[in-house]
Amino acid sequence: DGGITQSPKYLFRKEGQNVTLSCEQNLNHDAMYWYRQDPGQGLRLIYYSQIVNDFQKGDIAEGYSVSREKKESFPLTVTSAQKNPTAFYLCASGTGANTGELFFGEGSRLTVL
Amino acid sequence: AQSVTQPDIHITVSEGASLELRCNYSYGATPYLFWYVQSPGQGLQLLLKYFSGDTLVQGIKGFEAEFKRSQSSFNLRKPSVHWSDAAEYFCAVGAFFGSDMRFGAGTRLTVKP
Repeated sequence: DGGITQSPKYLFRKEGQNVTLSCEQNLNHDAMYWYRQDPGQGLRLIYYSQIVNDFQKGDIAEGYSVSREKKESFPLTVTSAQKNPTAFYLCASGTGANTGELFFGEGSRLTVL
Repeated sequence: AQSVTQPDIHITVSEGASLELRCNYSYGATPYLFWYVQSPGQGLQLLLKYFSGDTLVQGIKGFEAEFKRSQSSFNLRKPSVHWSDAAEYFCAVGAFFGSDMRFGAGTRLTVKP
């Protein structure tokens, strides 16, 4: 089945450690996105990529890094510089054909101990 | 950049009652507007979208929304709510290509038996 797969679903990290969240899609979508979700704040855009080997910062990129070496993959690294990394992270992809509709993965919950 | 306001953080309705969730957007041109639904711990699913044409759009699960340019609103409605509609609902606005989509803070819907 076509879709977006995020892993791991749950992740625990000690302070000072970097952690990478995986996002893979088999929808043949050009665009991919990372959002952070906190209670009462909705979804905030971290990074997005419209094409392989290119990506742009969103509203809250500080403390995060991404890569887009393959069309299917858009991993997010939460670095030790991110001051408050505990959150629910959502990956999404889109066709980029002016429809704007995004397809979401099931999310990864990161907890910093 | 565009922005979205969902004035109601939490709404409780009785099963079988009608529902209206409010959404106001800010954007200089004609926006692309969306409503998504999220079950606890899951990703988001598209309910409906508006790009142009008829200002009343129909979506899945019996939902509809009306675009009112004069009020910068895109309210979501359902004539009769079912217990399975309990979830969090997000309004979103995009500029083009979905490269800059912004989400509201969400409205949590509780359905009373």
